[in-house]
Amino acid sequence: NAGVTQTPKFQVLKTGQSMTLQCAQDMNHEYMSWYRQDPGMGLRLIHYSVGAGITDQGEVPNGYNVSRSTTEDFPLRLLSAAPSQTSVYFCASSLGEGSEQFFGPGTRLTVL
Amino acid sequence: GQQLNQSPQSMFIQEGEDVSMNCTSSSIFNTWLWYKQDPGEGPVLLIALYKAGELTSNGRLTAQFGITRKDSFLNISASIPSDVGIYFCAGQLAGNQFYFGTGTSLTVIP
Repeated sequence: NAGVTQTPKFQVLKTGQSMTLQCAQDMNHEYMSWYRQDPGMGLRLIHYSVGAGITDQGEVPNGYNVSRSTTEDFPLRLLSAAPSQTSVYFCASSLGEGSEQFFGPGTRLTVL
Repeated sequence: GQQLNQSPQSMFIQEGEDVSMNCTSSSIFNTWLWYKQDPGEGPVLLIALYKAGELTSNGRLTAQFGITRKDSFLNISASIPSDVGIYFCAGQLAGNQFYFGTGTSLTVIP
């Protein structure tokens, strides 16, 4: 049981490049979320999903896309990276509403 | 977006001392949670609070869900070196929407 896994662990992009941050969980959790963590600002919700085929925007969704074709995977896509997207990105999953969220180890992204 | 004001921003304490931190918001939350984050890792849940007024303990940790549902506090008693880390409060609205505080960095001096 690997829990929540994220790849890659580190990534450097140039402005304008696109990439996908991968997130997978093997706990059969319905709820999954993406957060970004910036110094002094805590974690901010980017997008979330309450089940396969269902996604919604969080607090800071601009510049990011998500999809949820399976229960296990919740990839986060940056279509055209900008320096403002330099951050640490965390994926989380939970069984359902009110259940504990389990976080992945994070992806540290730098956009030059 | 929702704003959670967490204080203090940082604390330096001697081993064995008690610690108190709190979180306030202008919004009403259904659930309050407290997390701890170690360097290079994701946050780990410490305590979850589901009802206004609820007081819950987890070992040396005690947390309360404020009566107004707009605030919460976390106490750590008899701190030890492994308590070092960043502590976050989080409030949950309906569904899967969580909003996090800005964190309290705790340093425990042996």
